[in-house]
Amino acid sequence: AQKITQTQPGMFVQEKEAVTLDCTYDTSDPSYGLFWYKQPSSGEMIFLIYQGSYDQQNATEGRYSLNFQKARKSANLVISASQLGDSAMYFCAMREKSYNTDKLIFGTGTRLQVFP
Amino acid sequence: DTGVSQDPRHKITKRGQNVTFRCDPISEHNRLYWYRQTLGQGPEFLTYFQNEAQLEKSRLLSDRFSAERPKGSFSTLEIQRTEQGDSAMYLCASSLDDPNYGYTFGSGTRLTVV
Repeated sequence: AQKITQTQPGMFVQEKEAVTLDCTYDTSDPSYGLFWYKQPSSGEMIFLIYQGSYDQQNATEGRYSLNFQKARKSANLVISASQLGDSAMYFCAMREKSYNTDKLIFGTGTRLQVFP
Repeated sequence: DTGVSQDPRHKITKRGQNVTFRCDPISEHNRLYWYRQTLGQGPEFLTYFQNEAQLEKSRLLSDRFSAERPKGSFSTLEIQRTEQGDSAMYLCASSLDDPNYGYTFGSGTRLTVV
């Protein structure tokens, strides 16, 4: 079974600094997709960035980038130039899809707090 | 199409009552998913549909829970005889049948059972 591990329950970062949120995963599938979501206090899950297992380059989306190290099975999210509005829960997830299942498996999340 | 809509946003109910939640997915998405999220945890899978067919149900989905997607568009999640342990955020998401495609989530329905 696939598994996502996020070992940082909480992180603090000063405004305008960069921060890395850790994510490791476990799967036996050669093809998989990794996702990061942001969940503000309002509750909505907001898609941030995607990395495919066969992608040669690390994904980037604006201030978000994914440090993908396939051999180490890690997919860390890097947020550059942090803003106060980045304060939220961040979840790493993997899509488990086969002939008899289709679900996103989530980690336990990291609460990021950005201070002035 | 403005995304995935869920109704209501909040629901407070007395233990033992039945509740029903609605989800309207993105119209082009043929897959629809229900998740439950309790405080301090990541979302947990409940069930999913491809068009109107319910293809998988989690063991978390007890007999008191039922989900439908009658015409392959909107979906409802009903909880019968609610218990305090049902208090959670119920999230709906939709997606395409593509493993490299992420889910689009709604804002969720927060259920409180008193």
